[in-house]
Amino acid sequence: GAVVSQHPSRVICKSGTSVKIECRSLDFQATTMFWYRQFPKQSLMLMATSNEGSKATYEQGVEKDKFLINHASLTLSTLTVTSAHPEDSSFYICSARSGEGGDTQYFGPGTRLTVL
Amino acid sequence: GDSVTQMEGPVTLSEEAFLTINCTYTATGYPSLFWYVQYPGEGLQLLLKATKADDKGSNKGFEATYRKETTSFHLEKGSVQVSDSAVYFCALSPVYSSASKIIFGSGTRLSIRP
Repeated sequence: GAVVSQHPSRVICKSGTSVKIECRSLDFQATTMFWYRQFPKQSLMLMATSNEGSKATYEQGVEKDKFLINHASLTLSTLTVTSAHPEDSSFYICSARSGEGGDTQYFGPGTRLTVL
Repeated sequence: GDSVTQMEGPVTLSEEAFLTINCTYTATGYPSLFWYVQYPGEGLQLLLKATKADDKGSNKGFEATYRKETTSFHLEKGSVQVSDSAVYFCALSPVYSSASKIIFGSGTRLSIRP
């Protein structure tokens, strides 16, 4: 089946530093990848949609200069949290859609970010 | 706008009990409907889906039927196991979304007692 990986699975950083999270589709090409944020005991909130080779589309209220998304290839998207602060601490999950016309998203295992 | 409403948890059941988690949606046309499961410490996994009215999605003993007349997609399982303990998310993919955007419900935490 379709597998999506994320790296790292956990990261702890100091306030003011930047953190990069990678999302990879391991056995399929993902023209579209999605980044979600999940607060404790809450649902996933879509942050942005990224298409390979083009700029990401951010949801309302998400700061694009703070959450930089790059989708450089059909198997890799990265989310960089710039100048992280404690309120950015969260569980970040990516997903990838396999191929044209399919509406199934495959989710990565998530990355837990803790900003001290 | 499009939205998903599911029953609040937590839901606690004994092993082998019958499970129903209610889910209703608001959407234009015929969205695709999904149930995702999130086990402790893990990301979401697609449990089942249905893409048109009266379709029944099923997997691992779980079932859900796409009911257009009641705009519902309730999740059921006849006999739950301890290993089913997880958070369950009902979700839809809007008809208008060319990028297959998914809108999630708030999630229902399920705990099964041995």
